[in-house]
Amino acid sequence: SQTIHQWPATLVQPVGSPLSLECTVEGTSNPNLYWYRQAAGRGLQLLFYSVGIGQISSEVPQNLSASRPQDRQFILSSKKLLLSDSGFYLCAWSVPDRGRTEAFFGQGTRLTVV
Amino acid sequence: QKEVEQDPGPLSVPEGAIVSLNCTYSNSAFQYFMWYRQYSRKGPELLMYTYSSGNKEDGRFTAQVDKSSKYISLFIRDSQPSDSATYLCAMSALNSGYALNFGKGTSLLVTP
Repeated sequence: SQTIHQWPATLVQPVGSPLSLECTVEGTSNPNLYWYRQAAGRGLQLLFYSVGIGQISSEVPQNLSASRPQDRQFILSSKKLLLSDSGFYLCAWSVPDRGRTEAFFGQGTRLTVV
Repeated sequence: QKEVEQDPGPLSVPEGAIVSLNCTYSNSAFQYFMWYRQYSRKGPELLMYTYSSGNKEDGRFTAQVDKSSKYISLFIRDSQPSDSATYLCAMSALNSGYALNFGKGTSLLVTP
């Protein structure tokens, strides 16, 4: 069966510091991978998605970037965090079939920028 | 107008009640509809996935899609305290890319 791992679970970082969140998927090949952000009262916002190694699409211009160095690894980064980057970050995957769009989520990283 | 509207609640019901959760949407191209359950400080868990109109049942959960009214529902029978969570609806259009359009979620509390 497929599993998704995301870490760390919680993170407190000062403004201006760098960020690296990592996500890995097991039990599937060539998954579509996603980074979402969930802010209180604002629902889930898609930040990035990837359909293959090195292929990253950004949905929202922001202070963040994403990379996919391996087939089942997805990384969310920032060079300098802003207070507004605080939120709950979720990694997700879906099957590599455009007819199937349901996504499966990791347990999330709660980021607080202070 | 947001593409997906969902009443945030909170909705409080006694144990054993039938729960009805709903979303409305504006994009008539949506064809894939999902319900997720999210416990506090956890990632969303996929509960139901339906394509186009109709009903789908899985245990105590029933998902309904009415495309003519642009309205989807999730029914929970014999609700349990363990059903207390936030329920998110999500939907997407055929060949629209990879983004799911989420509602903001409805908070449900089932009291013993």
